[in-house]
Amino acid sequence: NAGVMQNPRHLVRRRGQEARLRCSPMKGHSHVYWYRQLPEEGLKFMVYLQKENIIDESGMPKERFSAEFPKEGPSILRIQQVVRGDSAAYFCASSPGLGREQYFGPGTRLTVT
Amino acid sequence: KQEVTQIPAALSVPEGENLVLNCSFTDSAIYNLQWFRQDPGKGLTSLLLIQSSQREQTSGRLNASLDKSSGRSTLYIAASQPGDSATYLCAVSNPGTGANSKLTFGKGITLSVRP
Repeated sequence: NAGVMQNPRHLVRRRGQEARLRCSPMKGHSHVYWYRQLPEEGLKFMVYLQKENIIDESGMPKERFSAEFPKEGPSILRIQQVVRGDSAAYFCASSPGLGREQYFGPGTRLTVT
Repeated sequence: KQEVTQIPAALSVPEGENLVLNCSFTDSAIYNLQWFRQDPGKGLTSLLLIQSSQREQTSGRLNASLDKSSGRSTLYIAASQPGDSATYLCAVSNPGTGANSKLTFGKGITLSVRP
């Protein structure tokens, strides 16, 4: 059973470009979480999704950020018009159900130049 | 609003020492508590999960305890080894609107075990 997969592992974007981060949860997991780790800060929750539904996006910046978890395929975190402050490690986690253990992917390290 | 604190931020011990890492949280109405390990530039590895109804969990040389009423958890590492050097993160989940179980993290304790 493969773990949580994230790609790309490293992503470089120039200011104003779009960044797309992908997350494939563990087999059998229908709950996906996205977290962001800014330099010198702890991990912060961004959004929680189940298949085709956004359950909680209270941690998402109000503009430029969006997330989806379609019926087929990976979950996508999309950042439009990236700025330098978006540079961070973005981690995806999956869980088989509510209150169950969360398993994290290796992260995508986004650098905005 | 839940806040998780881990003090100290860094710890250095000689190999073989038993050690305790502390975690405190402000809202005791948690769903569960998870301890993670993060190596530099890597993802998070789950070490132990304690449900709110449990007092402790053990895995190998690791033992995690939970005292909900006082808002504290400890991670005990027995006979530390240089390979234990990493950042250890504590995270709690709270039941919320829509049955969310998002995690609130502490900033972590960076452990260095000297050979």
